[in-house]
Amino acid sequence: DSGVTQTPKHLITATGQRVTLRCSPRSGDLSVYWYQQSLDQGLQFLIQYYNGEERAKGNILERFSAQQFPDLHSELNLSSLELGDSALYFCASSVEGLAGVHGELFFGEGSRLTVL
Amino acid sequence: SQQGEEDPQALSIQEGENATMNCSYKTSINNLQWYRQNSGRGLVHLILIRSNEREKHSGRLRVTLDTSKKSSSLLITASRAADTASYFCATIKNYGQNFVFGPGTRLSVLP
Repeated sequence: DSGVTQTPKHLITATGQRVTLRCSPRSGDLSVYWYQQSLDQGLQFLIQYYNGEERAKGNILERFSAQQFPDLHSELNLSSLELGDSALYFCASSVEGLAGVHGELFFGEGSRLTVL
Repeated sequence: SQQGEEDPQALSIQEGENATMNCSYKTSINNLQWYRQNSGRGLVHLILIRSNEREKHSGRLRVTLDTSKKSSSLLITASRAADTASYFCATIKNYGQNFVFGPGTRLSVLP
């Protein structure tokens, strides 16, 4: 058990809909990362938050948004869903060290999104 | 484009044999990490090697890093069926940058 909790585990929805994925990081971790994993695109970095602020941004579509709340949990909102958004969405957390030294990422078990 | 690229894409070996996977990257890095993913599960961290280190060991795992060639290798010795998984390398360049994962190597260990 990594200590990172993601809900829901599975989600089936229709094109055009909107969903919210939730992530609770490990106790004490200030950084949350979101990744999308699909068969044809591999593991793609979407966005990172650190202590409530956006820290880094990857290939996140404009239809997607995220935030990190004061209690450090994070939500990834996916809207106007398309068939191609079907994927595993992972949240990871870490403790960022000093002087730019990054430690390991702790991954949740993912949320599997199926868009029909 | 991917920062890290694992090689080979797939590897099939017999139990007890050693498995070697390679990772190449393009830019300077702060550290390089290896992760394992069992089918459909979350990634699990295996080992981290910093840019000023050349080799690290952890149990049956041995990782090397050659910054001049921008490459790393992961060696799993005396493999077991339970080692069957996908293995990813991840690099991070600078503070405030994101971890970038390669496409992974799918390892199958046959009993």
